[in-house]
Amino acid sequence: GAVVSQHPSRVICKSGTSVKIECRSLDFQATTMFWYRQFPKKSLMLMATSNEGSKATYEQGVEKDKFLINHASLTLSTLTVTSAHPEDSSFYICSARSRVGLAGETQYFGPGTRLLVL
Amino acid sequence: GQSLEQPSEVTAVEGAIVQINCTYQTSGFYGLSWYQQHDGGAPTFLSYNALDGLEETGRFSSFLSRSDSYGYLLLQELQMKDSASYFCPQSGAGSYQLTFGKGTKLSVIP
Repeated sequence: GAVVSQHPSRVICKSGTSVKIECRSLDFQATTMFWYRQFPKKSLMLMATSNEGSKATYEQGVEKDKFLINHASLTLSTLTVTSAHPEDSSFYICSARSRVGLAGETQYFGPGTRLLVL
Repeated sequence: GQSLEQPSEVTAVEGAIVQINCTYQTSGFYGLSWYQQHDGGAPTFLSYNALDGLEETGRFSSFLSRSDSYGYLLLQELQMKDSASYFCPQSGAGSYQLTFGKGTKLSVIP
């Protein structure tokens, strides 16, 4: 099946610093990637949709200047949390869309990045 | 239409069969997916239904009834490793986005 990687898997940073998270599709080209945020025992909240070569589309309530997204190639999207604060601590998950056979609009998820801001 | 709804928790015995129901928003509905997520892990794709009927993949089957705005995931021959959260995100026509609900936490007991 399609494989999506994320790096780093865990990061601890000081308040005020910026953190970059990478999302890569390893064995397929992803024209669209998605960034989600998940709090403990909660649902996945879509933050933004990222299309290769164009600006990301952010969901309502998500600050685009705080969560910078770059989708520079068909296999890489990055999320940068700028000037991180403790309330940004969360589990960030990316996914990549793949049209695979009869599976329809399948999204394949990365393993997630757990961010802790001190 | 109604919001995406699933039972919050389900408990079943190892070796048994369990059905997790999902009702979804009818407005703009295109298809229903099922994902499994273990604690601390990322969601894993299980199945997708765009048309009415049953899709079978090994021990897992997913069903969709568009007229009832309803679907379910059927897990057979339950194993302890099936203990996880199960989500039924829906996708909309013309959009590749998935809308997730709160999921169902399945606990498989001996």
